[in-house]
Amino acid sequence: AQKITQTQPGMFVQEKEAVTLDCTYDTSDPSYGLFWYKQPSSGEMIFLIYQGSYDQQNATEGRYSLNFQKARKSANLVISASQLGDSAMYFCAMRENFGNEKLTFGTGTRLTIIP
Amino acid sequence: SAVISQKPSRDICQRGTSLTIQCQVDSQVTMMFWYRQQPGQSLTLIATANQGSEATYESGFVIDKFPISRPNLTFSTLTVSNMSPEDSSIYLCSVGQGGYNEQFFGPGTRLTVL
Repeated sequence: AQKITQTQPGMFVQEKEAVTLDCTYDTSDPSYGLFWYKQPSSGEMIFLIYQGSYDQQNATEGRYSLNFQKARKSANLVISASQLGDSAMYFCAMRENFGNEKLTFGTGTRLTIIP
Repeated sequence: SAVISQKPSRDICQRGTSLTIQCQVDSQVTMMFWYRQQPGQSLTLIATANQGSEATYESGFVIDKFPISRPNLTFSTLTVSNMSPEDSSIYLCSVGQGGYNEQFFGPGTRLTVL
């Protein structure tokens, strides 16, 4: 079974609109962390936001926020006021087994912002 | 946040040859990882580079094909051995700080095998 599922292979969004990128996960570990990364065409992986399984509040970082619904095992990324520079691949990843920092990645969503 | 550099940034190699990729971090880190991203695919963990001991490889990856060194807490190398076109990928190193809420990646090495 997939541990991280991203069901949107591609999305097109009008500039300045908000966009939600979906991510669901599967784990039996009570302690885990969820990450979102942005990968522009250059190939670098840019860390965006992190949510821990025990965090009481949804994580926010500037225009990025994470809609964490633990019971549903979902960790959707919300980008507010999208910009042309947001066009990129976005990957959701999970870290299980606290202390072991390796990540398992989803298949990614290609986001295109339309002027 | 850790600053990570990789060398080379890209290379074009002939099949049957080997390439060694370097990863340098500007601070001591506990964990270092090597990932592969094949064209149009997601990232897959190759191995965890352990300082002072043999790397821990994920299923489907073997030491003979991807030997890894980690001589200290700031540096690691990944060698892609006896390359074939199927090895054409982006190779990324990543560092974690054990419990921190961030994990950073190097800029990647874009490898093309002809």
